[in-house]
Amino acid sequence: QITLKESGPTLVKPTQTLTLTCTFSGFSLSTLGVGVGWIRQPPGKALEWLALFYWDDDKRYSPSLKSRLTISKGTSRNQVVLTMTNVDPVDTATYYCTHFSYRRDSFDVWGQGTMVTVSS
Amino acid sequence: QSVLTQPPSVSGAPGQRVTISCTGSSSNIGADYKVHWYQQIPGRAPKLLIYNNDNRPSGVPDRFSGSKSGTSASLAITGLQADDEADYYCQSYDNSLTAIVFGGGTKLTVL
Repeated sequence: QITLKESGPTLVKPTQTLTLTCTFSGFSLSTLGVGVGWIRQPPGKALEWLALFYWDDDKRYSPSLKSRLTISKGTSRNQVVLTMTNVDPVDTATYYCTHFSYRRDSFDVWGQGTMVTVSS
Repeated sequence: QSVLTQPPSVSGAPGQRVTISCTGSSSNIGADYKVHWYQQIPGRAPKLLIYNNDNRPSGVPDRFSGSKSGTSASLAITGLQADDEADYYCQSYDNSLTAIVFGGGTKLTVL
């Protein structure tokens, strides 16, 4: 059974760097066709794709946020980390970590999400 | 404004059939990229409902079906039930933006 869980600060000040960790189980990120993605959802708004880390260490970013995002493997083999620099109140959102399946070409398992508020 | 356009809301009575459209363009759905659908019950994380245009993950009832034609896709729900009340999102890839894109979401109300 695949599970993912997001962790990180609930409150961040404007201009600071946000670091979120996705801890997962039930799969290996080195398995062919697997990825871990980050998707966010501002309160009352639609989903927005942020970044995707593939099994072959390839990384993809939303073009609109690429300059501020970094996705990487964590210190443990079952972790993926997303950092977002220079945060702004518009970055206030629930951030979801997801399992990506190349075969399904979609995000087939989602974490519960973590709410991050950007405010001074 | 989302690259994929969905109606903000749809509604139907229990037992009825509803469809939710997802309109794209020649750089996403029309470029033959797959369309996926997610269901988000209020207060919960999204859940994959349909992948690769018309495939259901195990556990998703066959009341849910997806289709795609040209630059649009549709999600159909038959035998509407109260617990189908949720937000529904379509997702695809856009080669002009080189990005994974979501629709703006559709709120389904079961009357």
